[in-house]
Amino acid sequence: NAGVTQTPKFQVLKTGQSMTLQCAQDMNHNSMYWYRQDPGMGLRLIYYSASEGTTDKGEVPNGYNVSRLNKREFSLRLESAAPSQTSVYFCASSEAGGREKLFFGSGTQLSVL
Amino acid sequence: SQQGEEDPQALSIQEGENATMNCSYKTSINNLQWYRQNSGRGLVHLILIRSNEREKHSGRLRVTLDTSKKSSSLLITASRAADTASYFCATDAQDSSYKLIFGSGTRLLVRP
Repeated sequence: NAGVTQTPKFQVLKTGQSMTLQCAQDMNHNSMYWYRQDPGMGLRLIYYSASEGTTDKGEVPNGYNVSRLNKREFSLRLESAAPSQTSVYFCASSEAGGREKLFFGSGTQLSVL
Repeated sequence: SQQGEEDPQALSIQEGENATMNCSYKTSINNLQWYRQNSGRGLVHLILIRSNEREKHSGRLRVTLDTSKKSSSLLITASRAADTASYFCATDAQDSSYKLIFGSGTRLLVRP
């Protein structure tokens, strides 16, 4: 029972580098999410995918792109990392958006120097 | 913004006491959820309450929803040291149940 799997768990980037955070769920969920959490703060929604084939911007989409590769996988890409993107990134999935509970991955701790 | 705002930001209580956290939001919703986050970990779902419900219980947890005041409360009864965590509410929007926005959270410390 893997649930929601995020890779990598830790990453250090230099300013301007690019990287892709991977997320996969094995629960056949329709909806997937990417959030970021800064120290001592709540979660802020970056992008979400209501269902396979759709993606929408959340609260803080600037500097990020996403791909819903298939029903299982939802990746987050930083094209040119900035220190302001230093954060913990969480992926989550749900059977039906806010109508059902979210299952979270364990997070990716990203530092941009 | 539909963001929920939790109150208080931090709460410190003695083991055995009750803890009450509040969440206020700005726009009409379909569903409201509460989550717990232990330090450095992912979030764990506690309770989901729909806009046509007023109260739900789960073990020592009681959630109320007042849509006229756009607010919800989470009550933890007979708290334990293991309840020490951050608690967040999350709301969708009436025109999109897929866009889930989290509040800033309440940090609860339960002293043994």
